Amino acid sequence: NAGVTQTPKFRVLKTGQSMTLLCAQDMNHEYMYWYRQDPGMGLRLIHYSVGEGTTAKGEVPDGYNVSRLKKQNFLLGLESAAPSQTSVYFCASRTSGRAVGGEQYFGPGTRLTVT
Amino acid sequence: GENVEQHPSTLSVQEGDSAVIKCTYSDSASNYFPWYKQELGKGPQLIIDIRSNVGEKKDQRIAVTLNKTAKHFSLHITETQPEDSAVYFCAAGDLNAGGTSYGKLTFGQGTILTVHP
Repeated sequence: NAGVTQTPKFRVLKTGQSMTLLCAQDMNHEYMYWYRQDPGMGLRLIHYSVGEGTTAKGEVPDGYNVSRLKKQNFLLGLESAAPSQTSVYFCASRTSGRAVGGEQYFGPGTRLTVT
Repeated sequence: GENVEQHPSTLSVQEGDSAVIKCTYSDSASNYFPWYKQELGKGPQLIIDIRSNVGEKKDQRIAVTLNKTAKHFSLHITETQPEDSAVYFCAAGDLNAGGTSYGKLTFGQGTILTVHP
């Protein structure tokens, strides 16, 4: 049971390049989230998904797209990277079960630098 | 939307002392308040949480208190140890069964806790 994994761990992009970050979870969770973490700003929600084939915008969605073709995977795409997207990206997942707690399980993060 | 403010941004204590981190929230619909610990190079991990029908919750050296009227909640760590050094985040969310919040959380800005041996 690996929990939540993220690929890659580090990446350097040039302005205008594109890339996809992959998040995978093996806990059969329905809900998945993408956050970005910047110094002094905590974790901000980019996009989220409540099930296979569904996605929705979070607090800071501009410049990002997402897809959830399989329940266990949640992809975050940057079509044309900008220096303002330099950040650490975290994926998280949780069960939709209302009888259980609200814990989100986080991956180890991807550190992205855009030059 | 929800807004969560967290203070202080940095906190330095001696081993064995207590540490307190405070958060305020703005949305009265929020009913779930977790605290996450993030160690260097890792993702955040839940350490304790509290729901709005409870005023206080304790787990060994860690406790969380909630004041719904004032819309603030706090994390208390007693007998701090060097391994408590990390970044701590508070968060607020809505877990109501009929809502459409889908477990989304709004996080505070984080507190860097350093425990000196």
